[in-house]
Amino acid sequence: ETGVTQTPRHLVMGMTNKKSLKCEQHLGHNAMYWYKQSAKKPLELMFVYSLEERVENNSVPSRFSPECPNSSHLFLHLHTLQPEDSALYLCASSHLNREQFFGPGTRLTVL
Amino acid sequence: GQNIDQPTEMTATEGAIVQINCTYQTSGFNGLFWYQQHAGEAPTFLSYNVLDGLEEKGRFSSFLSRSKGYSYLLLKELQMKDSASYLCAVTPAAGNKLTFGGGTRVLVKP
Repeated sequence: ETGVTQTPRHLVMGMTNKKSLKCEQHLGHNAMYWYKQSAKKPLELMFVYSLEERVENNSVPSRFSPECPNSSHLFLHLHTLQPEDSALYLCASSHLNREQFFGPGTRLTVL
Repeated sequence: GQNIDQPTEMTATEGAIVQINCTYQTSGFNGLFWYQQHAGEAPTFLSYNVLDGLEEKGRFSSFLSRSKGYSYLLLKELQMKDSASYLCAVTPAAGNKLTFGGGTRVLVKP
């Protein structure tokens, strides 16, 4: 238990569905992150929010849309995904310039 | 661009020592992290090096040479529970963007 929770833990969706991933941190951190982890590939940074402002968008397709309503919550809204988007999506949080604490991830399968 | 290299897989015997190397070429450098990730679980923080030298934390130590773009993670007195992937990650500049290597899967055998 790292103080970062993610829901759902598993998600199966069709290419025409709309779904959202949720992340919540209980550590008082001021930065939050979304990562994608695919088999045989390095962990890829998708988005960074610092003090609730998006400071990094790592060339992610627009079918992924992040939202950070406050410093404790982070969402990733998904729509019209492709099968190649199937992966483990990890949320993390940190104080600025400090080590990141990861949530358990959401295993996403796009059919 | 960012390039971080580490071996794909290593095997070692329980009780032994294993050294996982990481080399990096990044545009700017602020610090280097090591994370441990067990299969199906989240990565967990192990160490952070900013200055040259060795940082020791119990059975785990991490070394950094900024001039050589090189780090290693040393695992001593290996235990079966140390079987996991070990991820090297670099912050290219002051800020929160972490770039990860592909990870080294360590298998500890009895």
